[in-house]
Amino acid sequence: DVKVTQSSRYLVKRTGEKVFLECVQDMDHENMFWYRQDPGLGLRLIYFSYDVKMKEKGDIPEGYSVSREKKERFSLILESASTNQTSMYLCASSSPGSRSNEQFFGPGTRLTVL
Amino acid sequence: DQQVKQNSPSLSVQEGRISILNCDYTNSMFDYFLWYKKYPAEGPTFLISISSIKDKNEDGRFTVFLNKSAKHLSLHIVPSQPGDSAVYFCASPSAGNMLTFGGGTRLMVKP
Repeated sequence: DVKVTQSSRYLVKRTGEKVFLECVQDMDHENMFWYRQDPGLGLRLIYFSYDVKMKEKGDIPEGYSVSREKKERFSLILESASTNQTSMYLCASSSPGSRSNEQFFGPGTRLTVL
Repeated sequence: DQQVKQNSPSLSVQEGRISILNCDYTNSMFDYFLWYKKYPAEGPTFLISISSIKDKNEDGRFTVFLNKSAKHLSLHIVPSQPGDSAVYFCASPSAGNMLTFGGGTRLMVKP
């Protein structure tokens, strides 16, 4: 059974703090993704990675960075959190061999920036 | 490039009736479509998919229909149950192992 876990379900931070969101998958997937979900805006891709130490910008990378030092772990970093980064953050992984590009999601982290 | 649109942000249905969620796409080159279901405070979970070689795929109460000429797909839930209340996203593979998601439709099934 594919398992994607995220370090926190709920997080409250203050403006200007550095925030780390961790994601771990146990299916040996090469691809990993970070999205944010906001009401009415669907799922927006922040960053993705096809392999260790590789990263690509998604649609909304501003204000974020990522790190992929190990295949199973993909971290999202908010260098200086701002209130407009209050959102639900979703991590996902997939195998490049899948015809459907099906992604498996973690439970999400609800981040509130005060 | 692929664009996926769900034009209805919300849908309210009575328990036991049919729910129909719609999705339109732009690029016929991508030949697979997926539906995800998302409860509040949880990650999306895969629900059902369809390949473009088919025009229908059924899994229990869930059926997805694909109309390639109209570049349109729909998810039918029959009969709808209160536990089906969630946000539903359609998605299509796009370049580079990606998925392009629609904006989602919030389904509310009333008892």
